[in-house]
Amino acid sequence: EVQLLESGGGLVQPGGSLRLSCAASGFTFSSYPMSWVRQPPGKGLEWVSIIGGSGSRIYYADSVEGRFTISRDNSRNTLYLQMNSLRAEDTAVYYCAKGDGADYWGQGTLVTVSS
Amino acid sequence: EVVLTQSPDFQSVTPKEKITIICRASQNIGNSLHWYQQKPDQSPKLLIKYASQSISGVPSRFSGSGSGTDFTLTINSLEAEDAAAYFCHQSSTLPRTFGQGTKVEIK
Repeated sequence: EVQLLESGGGLVQPGGSLRLSCAASGFTFSSYPMSWVRQPPGKGLEWVSIIGGSGSRIYYADSVEGRFTISRDNSRNTLYLQMNSLRAEDTAVYYCAKGDGADYWGQGTLVTVSS
Repeated sequence: EVVLTQSPDFQSVTPKEKITIICRASQNIGNSLHWYQQKPDQSPKLLIKYASQSISGVPSRFSGSGSGTDFTLTINSLEAEDAAAYFCHQSSTLPRTFGQGTKVEIK
């Protein structure tokens, strides 16, 4: 059974940093691209970033380019999102999703950026 | 960037009705269009992949069609448990994008 478990969310002040993790199980992690998608409270879904199975292909949404860094550790079956220079508009539930077609999603972790 | 526009934004329906949700892409995305259901306080769940491919475990009343720029999600004989938000998502080009969502309410 595919399982994705995000962690690392919380309350952070504007300009601060957080590192999200997504622990994966139930599939061959290194064989699949992985994505981060976020959802502001009460709003729709926004794609954030994607990383290829080997970690060599990485892309970001313009809204986070230069501030967020996606990475993965295939030996630990874990996906990461390092978030720096956080802004109020980054407040959202952050989901990790498996594969380019996002066939499985984690339960999400809430990031709140507020002073 | 491919803009996905869903219609309607909201639909209120009675059980056993059939509903159709439309997703229009701002450029040709082939069949790289996926549909998700999201219930309150839950993560999105994949319903249909690559425009029309069914997903194991998803009820057969959910179906998808279309290619290029025009896509539809059809729910036949709606049930109370289908009350949710529905999103389309394209994986054809970067950046990946989502439609704004369609909220389905059961009367």
